[in-house]
Amino acid sequence: GNSVTQMEGPVTLSEEAFLTINCTYTATGYPSLFWYVQYPGEGLQLLLKATKADDKGSNKGFEATYRKETTSFHLEKGSVQVSDSAVYFCALSGGRSGGGADGLTFGKGTHLIIQP
Amino acid sequence: DAGITQSPRHKVTETGTPVTLRCHQTENHRYMYWYRQDPGHGLRLIHYSYGVKDTDKGEVSDGYSVSRSKTEDFLLTLESATSSQTSVYFCAITASGSYEQYFGPGTRLTVT
Repeated sequence: GNSVTQMEGPVTLSEEAFLTINCTYTATGYPSLFWYVQYPGEGLQLLLKATKADDKGSNKGFEATYRKETTSFHLEKGSVQVSDSAVYFCALSGGRSGGGADGLTFGKGTHLIIQP
Repeated sequence: DAGITQSPRHKVTETGTPVTLRCHQTENHRYMYWYRQDPGHGLRLIHYSYGVKDTDKGEVSDGYSVSRSKTEDFLLTLESATSSQTSVYFCAITASGSYEQYFGPGTRLTVT
């Protein structure tokens, strides 16, 4: 079945540091890939997405590239801020049927802490 | 904002009691989902719906049932709550024509 593996952390960085959160996946077919962010006490917000190989998703300074050859979708940001402290989830579409309508498969989440 | 609300937002209940959580959406989306979030597990799919009265099981459906009698409401029921069902429950919808999902604010359920 489908699965997503990501570093769990916590990952602690200083403000303005470069961020990479690794995400690799196993899936049948051609899934779409997502990064979600969850701030303390809140629900999940879609951060960025990529729907096919070599697509780059970007939003709020974050980027991730859909790499089919390495089955990866690593999240990067050039200069993090304290306000980026949150839990980040990598996810893919394509459940048992290979389509997206039957739910997303999530990684376990990476807790990111940015220190001033 | 995908117009998703969940109720209640917090609930404490005793083992063995029935509990129903409600998800309400205002934008007529066809697909709706229930997930649970637990430390060390990320989010796991409980049940989903692809239309009125059309539902299917997810990864962790044991002990849960769902109903969808109208497009805007998707109910999750714990027939007899157990302590292992203490969790944060999220409802989600899929936007038409895409696979991305948008989430409600969550319900924190504690079973004592």
